[in-house]
Amino acid sequence: QLQLQESGPGLVKPSETLSLTCTVSGGSISSSSYYWGWIRQPPGKGLEWIGNMYYSGSTYYNPSLKSRVTISVDTSKNQFSLKLSSVTAADTAVYYCARQSGNYYSRVDYWGQGTLVTVSS
Amino acid sequence: DIQMTQSPSSLSASVGDRVTITCRASQSISRYLNWYQQKPGKAPKLLIYAAFNLQSGVPSRFSGSGSGTDFTLTISSLQPEDFATYYCQQSYSAPPTFGGGTKVEIK
Repeated sequence: QLQLQESGPGLVKPSETLSLTCTVSGGSISSSSYYWGWIRQPPGKGLEWIGNMYYSGSTYYNPSLKSRVTISVDTSKNQFSLKLSSVTAADTAVYYCARQSGNYYSRVDYWGQGTLVTVSS
Repeated sequence: DIQMTQSPSSLSASVGDRVTITCRASQSISRYLNWYQQKPGKAPKLLIYAAFNLQSGVPSRFSGSGSGTDFTLTISSLQPEDFATYYCQQSYSAPPTFGGGTKVEIK
């Protein structure tokens, strides 16, 4: 059974860079037709797609965040990572790592459990 | 971006009730519409993809319909474990976008 697990700091200071890693188990991140990425949910609010990438290195970002987001993959560790720069309180959210099937804007069929990141000094 | 609007934002229902949730897209998305269930403190779970296809392992009391701009998620007989928030998501074009959610509460 495929499992995704987020890890990283739960508290980030304003203007700094948020960094999270997702470790994939039970399957290979190098599988074709799957895209690996991030979705976030501010407390009590809805879901926002951040972006994803294909194992080959192609990346796709939400235009609303594109200038601040970097998603990268480490196939040797079966992991992928998120970096979000210049964070503000508006970036406080539960961050989910996720797998999308078919194309980069397709359905999300696997989710991590989520990790709360708070932006505060 | 395609805007997704769900209605109602919340509803109260009893066990055994038939429940219908609506999702409307700001433009035609053919049948590229997915539904998720989210329980408090948990990640969303895919229920239905491409408007009416049941994800593996999802009970048959869940069904989806619609095409173009108007879609419906139906729970034929509400069970205690179905009390949750439901989200629609369009996968017609990038960026994928979600509806605001419908919270199903116990009456």
